[in-house]
Amino acid sequence: DQQVKQNSPSLSVQEGRISILNCDYTNSMFDYFLWYKKYPAEGPTFLISISSIKDKNEDGRFTVFLNKSAKHLSLHIVPSQPGDSAVYFCAASATGNQFYFGTGTSLTVIP
Amino acid sequence: GAGVSQTPSNKVTEKGKYVELRCDPISGHTALYWYRQSLGQGPEFLIYFQGTGAADDSGLPNDRFFAVRPEGSVSTLKIQRTERGDSAVYLCASSLQGSYNEQFFGPGTRLTVL
Repeated sequence: DQQVKQNSPSLSVQEGRISILNCDYTNSMFDYFLWYKKYPAEGPTFLISISSIKDKNEDGRFTVFLNKSAKHLSLHIVPSQPGDSAVYFCAASATGNQFYFGTGTSLTVIP
Repeated sequence: GAGVSQTPSNKVTEKGKYVELRCDPISGHTALYWYRQSLGQGPEFLIYFQGTGAADDSGLPNDRFFAVRPEGSVSTLKIQRTERGDSAVYLCASSLQGSYNEQFFGPGTRLTVL
């Protein structure tokens, strides 16, 4: 029973363009959402978070949007850079501790 | 500063054996988490410690899995009578206080059960 879903296993984007990664969730109790970036043979690295009291959070090139009514969040990366190529996971929690992760989207930024 | 470290980085064992996986969290982090990541999946929550006590162990799949954190720092995940289905990358994370704080992940231990 996957409570957090990332339906696009992969995404390719040209350098300099916008990357949009999507995530859907089913549990309406989730109130805290994170995006992680993962390189091969490394653990996930925290990227950006958003709580359910907001609908947008921005940090440099990274912006996360939350649509609670649609139970959907997205991560925008602009401009995309080759170093952004990695697997991106979204995660959600109702407690701030037990997080449910999606299956990840592999982003490739083409120079 | 030093991040979260996990040892060993790789562990190969035979079905039925006992294994221990170690996690050294970031110094001063009171919260520690164990996750399991199978191929093609995202990390799956196993257990969360606040200090020495397991605050939430609802993710442990069965009683073959057990974790301890006796002094509130290093944690050990113990798996008894390993099965082939236990093969996965076991990730450890720590956070400063837990609850809505960023979790810092280690590189993981890749467990292979033959």
